[in-house]
Amino acid sequence: EDQVTQSPEALRLQEGESSSLNCSYTVSGLRGLFWYRQDPGKGPEFLFTLYSAGEEKEKERLKATLTKKESFLHITAPKPEDSATYLCAVQVTGGGNKLTFGTGTQLKVEL
Amino acid sequence: NAGVMQNPRHLVRRRGQEARLRCSPMKGHSHVYWYRQLPEEGLKFMVYLQKENIIDESGMPKERFSAEFPKEGPSILRIQQVVRGDSAAYFCASSRDGPGYTFGSGTRLTVV
Repeated sequence: EDQVTQSPEALRLQEGESSSLNCSYTVSGLRGLFWYRQDPGKGPEFLFTLYSAGEEKEKERLKATLTKKESFLHITAPKPEDSATYLCAVQVTGGGNKLTFGTGTQLKVEL
Repeated sequence: NAGVMQNPRHLVRRRGQEARLRCSPMKGHSHVYWYRQLPEEGLKFMVYLQKENIIDESGMPKERFSAEFPKEGPSILRIQQVVRGDSAAYFCASSRDGPGYTFGSGTRLTVV
């Protein structure tokens, strides 16, 4: 069975304190790995798609990387507005367009 | 360019009633997906539809749940004879082709 595990479950950072969120996956075959951001009471907002090991994508203070077993979301010099739940999801071979999500990392950035 | 529109935002139903959740995809998107999010759990896939066709319903409970995406109008997720365990946030997403989804803001269903 395809599995996605995110860690830590919750993370509290001071403004400017860089850190990384982890997404490890066990799948039969990976077609794509997706990162989303979800604010309270809202739907997930798409951030990145990664397709192959070694690939990296960047957007503002966020950088996503991918290996054969896990992905990292690096947050550089975070600001309070980066506070949200970050979700990781995988699309697997033979799974069509369906995504399997992890339970997320709840990030709180404090002044 | 309006995003994915879901309504209602909040829905309260008594046990045994029917719940109808609506989703209008983004303009130009012909693929619609429904996901359910329970407290402390991740988003769980329910069903994937294209116009007038169910492509993948592997995540739909066998009883009481159905979904449609008619030629005209929004996609509908229908839950008959709701039970307390159906209380959750239901999210709709749409895409042009692959799974680079755009999600709606969800419908929060509460069964009392």
